[in-house]
Amino acid sequence: AQSVTQLDSHVSVSEGTPVLLRCNYSSSYSPSLFWYVQHPNKGLQLLLKYTSAATLVKGINGFEAEFKKSETSFHLTKPSAHMSDAAEYFCVVSSGGGADGLTFGKGTHLIIQP
Amino acid sequence: AAGVIQSPRHLIKEKRETATLKCYPIPRHDTVYWYQQGPGQDPQFLISFYEKMQSDKGSIPDRFSAQQFSDYHSELNMSSLELGDSALYFCASSYARTLNYGYTFGSGTRLTVV
Repeated sequence: AQSVTQLDSHVSVSEGTPVLLRCNYSSSYSPSLFWYVQHPNKGLQLLLKYTSAATLVKGINGFEAEFKKSETSFHLTKPSAHMSDAAEYFCVVSSGGGADGLTFGKGTHLIIQP
Repeated sequence: AAGVIQSPRHLIKEKRETATLKCYPIPRHDTVYWYQQGPGQDPQFLISFYEKMQSDKGSIPDRFSAQQFSDYHSELNMSSLELGDSALYFCASSYARTLNYGYTFGSGTRLTVV
């Protein structure tokens, strides 16, 4: 069994300040972890993924995430927020593509204040 | 709380057959998204509907079509099935008029083409 908990349903930051979106997971197997972004009325877009290589993963648009096995966390960060980052962000866990498939977190709505 | 319902959960079809997948969104949700996840692959956005009109289109093959009905449920029709269509198909729903779009994902339909 696997699960994902996104610790904040909403995060509000000012433009130009750092972004932190928190994600904790549980998995019976060595997981793959993903962060996706969804802009209004658009499909999911992959930001980055961890698949047992380097624990610090760099993604698109300046985002990165660090896999911490001891803390079962995969938090998403960005040094400086931009207005275009306003969207819904999903943390996703996959345990090898077995019967569990993908498990999505409930999402974090990122608001960027001007 | 009601969730996104997908049916069937599992489906086995032969090559060149057709398949219909159904997605029932959360009540009052007006937007539906379809995704395809092949074995060991990331989810790929296929298509979305808002208020029964197509709102965005991703990597949906021409052999596939979809629509959203007056009760907001959606169906994904797949014809001339190929072995490569074997995948997990999941849908998500949201209510477009709220600040937090509140996306909810279904558990998916696992399609196997033999």
